[in-house]
Amino acid sequence: DVVMTQSPLSLPVTLGQPASISCRSSQSLVYSDGNTYLNWFQQRPGQSPRRLIYKVSNRDSGVPDRFSGSGSGTDFTLKISRVEAEDVGVYYCMQGTYWPLTFGGGTKVEIK
Amino acid sequence: QVQLVESGGGLVKPGGSLRLSCETSGFTFSDYYMTWIRQAPGKGLDWVSSISGGGSAIYYADSVKGRFTISRDNAKNSLYLQMNSLRAEDTALYYCAREVRSPRYWGQGTLVTVSS
Repeated sequence: DVVMTQSPLSLPVTLGQPASISCRSSQSLVYSDGNTYLNWFQQRPGQSPRRLIYKVSNRDSGVPDRFSGSGSGTDFTLKISRVEAEDVGVYYCMQGTYWPLTFGGGTKVEIK
Repeated sequence: QVQLVESGGGLVKPGGSLRLSCETSGFTFSDYYMTWIRQAPGKGLDWVSSISGGGSAIYYADSVKGRFTISRDNAKNSLYLQMNSLRAEDTALYYCAREVRSPRYWGQGTLVTVSS
């Protein structure tokens, strides 16, 4: 199985400051169709997960442009340019390239 | 708009069975893979099973293979998960999601508790 390793586990951030979450996969996530199926999800307290980013760097409609995804191969990053109070929650990366689909363990973003 | 509504969760004894349902609307159901993902209390996300639009391709996590069966009824725009031989470690909030490689839409989840 592809192991997805996220860091840090917890990320205290000052409002208005940037934040960065790392996600590493145990093997390259490039699929045979040329796409890299690396997604980022946000789960606010008490809510269902919400997809923010798909295929590494494509932001979903309605997602603020302060969220961005980057990376390639086995190394990926989610960045929040200026953290707002509504960004509090747990962020997960997920690979959709290989069966079984696997998620990172999550990064909890909180306000300092 | 796309809507996914899960139901069928509840309290069941170890070894028991439950059937989860996911009713959908707002999109052409038969065009999409559908997926079940679960989340144990206070834990992360765990993929359970996926099924292709026509139902011919089915995938399971090793932890549920042989005990859970995913199915769909395209005429009813509904997805199902038959869960047999339930164990304490199956206790979780079960979400249905549209698509598989990049699940875009998720339901609100239905809680399954396995306890004596």
